[in-house]
Formats: sequence, structure tokens, C-alpha cells
Amino acid sequence: NAGVTQTPKFRILKIGQSMTLQCAQDMNHNYMYWYRQDPGMGLKLIYYSVGAGITDKGEVPNGYNVSRSTTEDFPLRLELAAPSQTSVYFCANSYLVSNYGYTFGSGTRLTVV
Amino acid sequence: DQQVKQNSPSLSVQEGRISILNCDYTNSMFDYFLWYKKYPAEGPTFLISISSIKDKNEDGRFTVFLNKSAKHLSLHIVPSQPGDSAVYFCAASAIYGGSQGNLIFGKGTKLSVKP
Repeated sequence: NAGVTQTPKFRILKIGQSMTLQCAQDMNHNYMYWYRQDPGMGLKLIYYSVGAGITDKGEVPNGYNVSRSTTEDFPLRLELAAPSQTSVYFCANSYLVSNYGYTFGSGTRLTVV
Repeated sequence: DQQVKQNSPSLSVQEGRISILNCDYTNSMFDYFLWYKKYPAEGPTFLISISSIKDKNEDGRFTVFLNKSAKHLSLHIVPSQPGDSAVYFCAASAIYGGSQGNLIFGKGTKLSVKP
């Protein structure tokens, strides 16, 4: 079982470029999340999804978009990369609302120059 | 406005001694609390949790204490081992609050356990 898989692990983008961070799960969990972690900071919720076809904004959604066409996949899209989006991005899932804890992917380190 | 606060960015402890990591929260609607452990270049992993109906939960060397009146929780690691060296995140959720039960994380405390 892979759990939660994120690709790529590292990426350097130029300002204004776009990219999609991939997140896939094989745990059949309904809930999925995208967080970002800036140096010395906690994890901030960008977007989350409670099931296929349903997404909602978290604490810091500006500059990002998501889609959830299947239970397995929850990609995060950056349309116009900005230096402020330099961060480590984590995807996570959970079986139910957070009582059971989240399973996190290993992260994508993104640098925008 | 931080709802979950970990005021100590780092903690250094000798192997075999107790490590105590602290966490404070401001939202009285929080009813579930979790600790995550994170090694470099890896995602956080779930460590231990506690519901607001309890004041203590143990799992091996790890114990979490919850003081609801003080809005404070702590993680005790006894005895500490060098492999415990990692960043520890405190997280909280409010199932029936406006956050839809999503986890709110603190900034983390970096624990170093010296041999």
C-alpha cells in the first residue's frame, strides 16, 4: 500500500509559470487536503475535499485551484506562480473528519524564482 | 491569529530523560487534539491523539495530557531516545465548529535528543 503519493518531489518554477502538483491515494478515503508549510511555520490548509466532486477553500486558497473528479486523485494547480508560493506542499487524506488523524504524503518542495 | 500555539521552537533533552512538549489553544470549540511527528524530507506522521472528554491518553512511551480549563495540552515522551529527534506538531479540530473539522496546526517544536 502506497498510502498518499505526491509528485513531483521537487520543482523549480519561474514567476508566472503554471504547474500541477499531483496527489493520489489508494486508501479509498473520502477526505483529502492540501497544506503548505513555510519555514518555521505550521501547516496552513489551502483546499480540502470531502468527496469526489466536492471541494472547498481552506485558510490560504488564493493563487491555487483544485479539482476532485475521482476519489483517488486530488491535484493542486498553480496558475501564475509567485515567489510567495515557494513552500513545501503536503497532501493528506482521512477516513472521516479528523478524529482518525490524517495520512500525509512525503511532500513537494516548490521554489519559485 | 493563531488558534494553536507552540511557543517553544526547539527543545533539547538528554537521552533517557523526559521530553515535555507544550501546546496552547484559543478556540474553545476544539474537541479533538493530535500530535504529529515530522522527520526532514518526510510528511508528518500521526503520533497520538486525545478527545476533549479525556484528560490523559497513553501509548507506550508517549502520553498526552489535556487541561481544558487552561486550554493547554502537553506531550510527554519517557524515556526519550535519539530516534525521537524530529519536529512535533500539535493540531486541533472542532467537529461541530466552523472549520468543518479540519485540523489546525501549531508551528511545531523541534526536539533534539542527545545521546
